[in-house]
Amino acid sequence: GESVGLHLPTLSVQEGDNSIINCAYSNSASDYFIWYKQESGKGPQFIIDIRSNMDKRQGQRVTVLLNKTVKHLSLQIAATQPGDSAVYFCAVSIYNQGGKLIFGQGTELSVKP
Amino acid sequence: DVKVTQSSRYLVKRTGEKVFLECVQDMDHENMFWYRQDPGLGLRLIYFSYDVKMKEKGDIPEGYSVSREKKERFSLILESASTNQTSMYLCASSSTGGLNEQYFGPGTRLTVT
Repeated sequence: GESVGLHLPTLSVQEGDNSIINCAYSNSASDYFIWYKQESGKGPQFIIDIRSNMDKRQGQRVTVLLNKTVKHLSLQIAATQPGDSAVYFCAVSIYNQGGKLIFGQGTELSVKP
Repeated sequence: DVKVTQSSRYLVKRTGEKVFLECVQDMDHENMFWYRQDPGLGLRLIYFSYDVKMKEKGDIPEGYSVSREKKERFSLILESASTNQTSMYLCASSSTGGLNEQYFGPGTRLTVT
């Protein structure tokens, strides 16, 4: 099977600083990785994804890094803003598992003004 | 804009009642999922469906059933609600291919008294 864990349940950063949220997975057959953001009272929203044939992918102010050797995934948020305060989940899927995702427990990011 | 809607944001039911949670997606997605979300446990998959009238058990199907009579609609049924089913319920959908992100609804917070 697959298990997904996050290194920190909470993270507090100063506005304007960069944030790094980490995630570890167990199954080397995992081939698709997603980061979701969940604001209070809302469902998770897709932020960025990466496939196993890539090491890095960038979006607007966000970068996902994948290290398959140590089965580690990270989300970097540049110039963190108060609107980034939320719970961030990583999710992992394995090819031919019908699109099922295994979720980590989430890191709550707090941005101090 | 993609959209997944859930019939209720908040629901209060009594122990033993039959509860229906409805989910509708407008993206013509083949796959639909029901999760529950509890503090410290993350998102756990209850049931999922690859196609109309098809269903598969997730990680925690006990006490739940599902129905998918139309492609856009996926219902979660609690045959006899219990207090340990008090939770946030999230519906999601995705397209086939197995590597596409899941889109989530806003969630239904169910309280069973």
